Amino acid sequence: AQTVTQSQPEMSVQEAETVTLSCTYDTSENNYYLFWYKQPPSRQMILVIRQEAYKQQNATENRFSVNFQKAAKSFSLKISDSQLGDTAMYFCAFLRDGSSNTGKLIFGQGTTLQVKP
Amino acid sequence: NAGVTQTPKFQVLKTGQSMTLQCAQDMNHNSMYWYRQDPGMGLRLIYYSASEGTTDKGEVPNGYNVSRLNKREFSLRLESAAPSQTSVYFCASSEGPWYTEAFFGQGTRLTVV
Repeated sequence: AQTVTQSQPEMSVQEAETVTLSCTYDTSENNYYLFWYKQPPSRQMILVIRQEAYKQQNATENRFSVNFQKAAKSFSLKISDSQLGDTAMYFCAFLRDGSSNTGKLIFGQGTTLQVKP
Repeated sequence: NAGVTQTPKFQVLKTGQSMTLQCAQDMNHNSMYWYRQDPGMGLRLIYYSASEGTTDKGEVPNGYNVSRLNKREFSLRLESAAPSQTSVYFCASSEGPWYTEAFFGQGTRLTVV
């Protein structure tokens, strides 16, 4: 069974600085997808970034980028130039690929990020 | 475009009461999901419907039932609520099992006293 672990329950960063959130996962699959979701106080789950395991290039979305290390099963999220609006809980999630996939996301425990002015 | 709409947003139940959480999506998605979110545990899948007419158990199905009423709607029912079911419930949808993004509703905060 797949598992996703976020070992940092809480983190804080000063506005305009850079912060990295960690995520590790365990799977025997070769093809899969990894996601980072953001949950602000409004509770809305917002997709931040997505990575396909078969792609070696790390995904980037504006100030958000990932460091995907497939052999190490590591998927960290880097937020550059942190903004107050980045304050939220961040979830790492795993999705299997292939014919047996049913679309079920497996989530980590979440990391609460506070951006300080 | 509303996306995924859940009702109600908040609910307080007494132990033993029943209720149904409603979810509807307007994106013509095939797959729908119910998750619960508990502190320190992330989101866990309760039930899912890969396509209209099918439903399957997820990781934590005990105490719940679901109905995929049509392609748009996927409801979650608590037949006899227990304090352990106090949680935030999220409905989500996706184009199908192979997707690039799942879309979530705004959640229902349920308290069972």
